[in-house]
Amino acid sequence: EAGVAQSPRYKIIEKRQSVAFWCNPISGHATLYWYQQILGQGPKLLIQFQNNGVVDDSQLPKDRFSAERLKGVDSTLKIQPAKLEDSAVYLCASSLDSFSYTFGSGTRLTVV
Amino acid sequence: RKEVEQDPGPFNVPEGATVAFNCTYSNSASQSFFWYRQDCRKEPKLLMSVYSSGNEDGRFTAQLNRASQYISLLIRDSKLSDSATYLCVVNEISGGYNKLIFGAGTRLAVHP
Repeated sequence: EAGVAQSPRYKIIEKRQSVAFWCNPISGHATLYWYQQILGQGPKLLIQFQNNGVVDDSQLPKDRFSAERLKGVDSTLKIQPAKLEDSAVYLCASSLDSFSYTFGSGTRLTVV
Repeated sequence: RKEVEQDPGPFNVPEGATVAFNCTYSNSASQSFFWYRQDCRKEPKLLMSVYSSGNEDGRFTAQLNRASQYISLLIRDSKLSDSATYLCVVNEISGGYNKLIFGAGTRLAVHP
């Protein structure tokens, strides 16, 4: 079984620039999650999709972050404009039954 | 108060030692519980689920005390390869959907 694919692996941008991350979940997994993990902290849920609908985006900073999951398969997360405090690893995960999660390798974002 | 709290460590132990990690959670309605392992610069991976009756997987034993809202992980006969961050994870139901809430993690370093 192929895992959760994410790209890019690394990204360095200047503050106020825009950036987008891509995630392709495991085939057949209806639930997709984006987590933000700041160094030294646990992953924090940003947004959760069930198929192509958003079921939880309560911790997504909507003034600068947006996410979509067109056609209920792959997903993109965008930050516009980026701030220094957005430096983190952005993890995508997918789940078939909402109990067993598989994470992608993540995108490490550095904002300078 | 954080939803899931862990001692950040680090725990520095010699090979062969027994080490215990503790975790508390704030939402008494939480449904299920897990320990994830995260290696440096890698994504989190499920180590084991935690059941009220306690469960064991080789050298690893997990326990749950619902009354105290307390979860533990015991590692016996520590190996160098056990060095990692151990994340306490709680599954909550929000709006009819499951989501995982992560603790900040406890770092373990096993030395020769």
